[in-house]
Amino acid sequence: DQQVKQNSPSLSVQEGRISILNCDYTNSMFDYFLWYKKYPAEGPTFLISISSIKDKNEDGRFTVFLNKSAKHLSLHIVPSQPGDSAVYFCAASAASNYQLIWGAGTKLIIKP
Amino acid sequence: SAVISQKPSRDICQRGTSLTIQCQVDSQVTMMFWYRQQPGQSLTLIATANQGSEATYESGFVIDKFPISRPNLTFSTLTVSNMSPEDSSIYLCSVAPSGSIYEQYFGPGTRLTVT
Repeated sequence: DQQVKQNSPSLSVQEGRISILNCDYTNSMFDYFLWYKKYPAEGPTFLISISSIKDKNEDGRFTVFLNKSAKHLSLHIVPSQPGDSAVYFCAASAASNYQLIWGAGTKLIIKP
Repeated sequence: SAVISQKPSRDICQRGTSLTIQCQVDSQVTMMFWYRQQPGQSLTLIATANQGSEATYESGFVIDKFPISRPNLTFSTLTVSNMSPEDSSIYLCSVAPSGSIYEQYFGPGTRLTVT
């Protein structure tokens, strides 16, 4: 049972445009959500996070939106740059459990 | 932050053999984890490596198959024992220097192929 789902294995976006990566979850106990970014031959690196008490968190070009009623979060990258080409993982955690539950990742390709 | 190295970066092994993966951190950290990422799948936590005591394994993972050592606060090993093709995965170690699982730093991973 996949508690965190990233339904798009890949996404291609023109440089300068907005990239929107989506993530759905099933466990209503999740109260903290994170996005990690992974380049080939490297481990994932933390990008941005959001607590369930918020619906938006912004850090530079990256914004994460959380819709608790829909159990959905999204990562917006504006404007998209070639260096953003990577695999993006969504992860979630419940306060009662220290473990992070990960999605399968979405490969973002930024076209010049 | 923390800088993490893993050895080997990749290996091709025959079924029935074992492989030990090393994880080295550039600073002392209490929380260290081992993950597996099977092809096309999400990262799955195998175990938490505890210094000075036995690792804590997640459901579906057992010590006989994935023995872990943690001799000090900067080093750990994961052994994949009696390998089968289903063990072909990327194995990653991570640390949480701040003590928060939310901000983990990952090693580059070890890509294992079992033939």
